[in-house]
Amino acid sequence: DAGITQSPRHKVTETGTPVTLRCHQTENHRYMYWYRQDPGHGLRLIHYSYGVKDTDKGEVSDGYSVSRSKTEDFLLTLESATSSQTSVYFCAISGRTGLKVEQFFGPGTRLTVL
Amino acid sequence: GQQLNQSPQSMFIQEGEDVSMNCTSSSIFNTWLWYKQDPGEGPVLLIALYKAGELTSNGRLTAQFGITRKDSFLNISASIPSDVGIYFCAGQVGIQGAQKLVFGQGTRLTINP
Repeated sequence: DAGITQSPRHKVTETGTPVTLRCHQTENHRYMYWYRQDPGHGLRLIHYSYGVKDTDKGEVSDGYSVSRSKTEDFLLTLESATSSQTSVYFCAISGRTGLKVEQFFGPGTRLTVL
Repeated sequence: GQQLNQSPQSMFIQEGEDVSMNCTSSSIFNTWLWYKQDPGEGPVLLIALYKAGELTSNGRLTAQFGITRKDSFLNISASIPSDVGIYFCAGQVGIQGAQKLVFGQGTRLTINP
């Protein structure tokens, strides 16, 4: 298994509170990603990082921010959580071998916003 | 944004049967990936396809990258109970930089013993 951990694994919070999810990798990969998974939508990219302090927006970035101060850690923050952000959040990492790039996923964080 | 249409959405089969699922898109992708997700876990990469027309096998799984680069299929032969789960296709645009993936909606596979 790719060395990816996510914390917390489950969280219940209230509307309007800030929430931070953490992704930690031990593979020293350059690229890290945050996705959300909702029924009927598959996985959708929120933000991604291509290096320390280098991040960019994905398909569904509104209401989310990210930070990457170290290669191994990628944080996802919901500044003021809303019920529409109830979802399962997955972190992923990718590494390149020649032209081949493979992306591996963490175990996920289930977030409920009441 | 880009979308992948994955079908069927669900399948109910008998153990031992073969399974086929596919993904289509109106956009061209340079890489196609197939993942399997078990309940409560993250997706696990099954097969990666990097060239149009490529046919790749991984045990009982076979996947192909369509010639038009707009579609891909996954076949599972002689299904067994551990094949139960949700299968996702994903397409990647571009070959440089971050691997930004677009996912299909998933195919839920149920097997009757």
